[in-house]
Amino acid sequence: NAGVTQTPKFRVLKTGQSMTLLCAQDMNHEYMYWYRQDPGMGLRLIHYSVGEGTTAKGEVPDGYNVSRLKKQNFLLGLESAAPSQTSVYFCASSKGLWDTEAFFGQGTRLTVV
Amino acid sequence: AQRVTQPEKLLSVFKGAPVELKCNYSYSGSPELFWYVQYSRQRLQLLLRHISRESIKGFTADLNKGETSFHLKKPFAQEEDSAMYYCALLSYNTDKLIFGTGTRLQVFP
Repeated sequence: NAGVTQTPKFRVLKTGQSMTLLCAQDMNHEYMYWYRQDPGMGLRLIHYSVGEGTTAKGEVPDGYNVSRLKKQNFLLGLESAAPSQTSVYFCASSKGLWDTEAFFGQGTRLTVV
Repeated sequence: AQRVTQPEKLLSVFKGAPVELKCNYSYSGSPELFWYVQYSRQRLQLLLRHISRESIKGFTADLNKGETSFHLKKPFAQEEDSAMYYCALLSYNTDKLIFGTGTRLQVFP
């Protein structure tokens, strides 16, 4: 079982460039999340999805867009990268919301120069 | 507003000492609370959830609604417990899983 897989694992971008992070899960989970992890700030929710075709804003959505066209995939896009978006990004999925475990990907380390 | 607070960024103890990682929350309603752990070079994973009232790897956590706390405890720390620990709250109102800022536990031999 692959679980939750994030692509790519590492990336360096120049300011203003765009990119898409892919999250794929093979557990038929309904809920998917994108977090960013920064020193001293813990995990902050960027966007999330409660099912195919639905997305919602989290705590820090500015500068990011997401899409959930297929149930198993949750894409995080940066249209114009900024140095403030340098972070480690984690994707997670869960079967439902009530009392279920969230499974995390291995993380994507993004550096914007 | 829903919020999870972990006041300690770093907690250092010696092997065999008791450990308590603090977590306080603010939430209107009955919360669902979790502890997640991230060992070095591993992905974040669930340690325990309050609704299960379980003990995992010797860790326990009791929900105290009066003090709005969900502290993680272990009577005798082991070196392999060294990791980053996150307290998390499940918000039914907003469908969000909210994390605290995390506490790094260092257990010295």
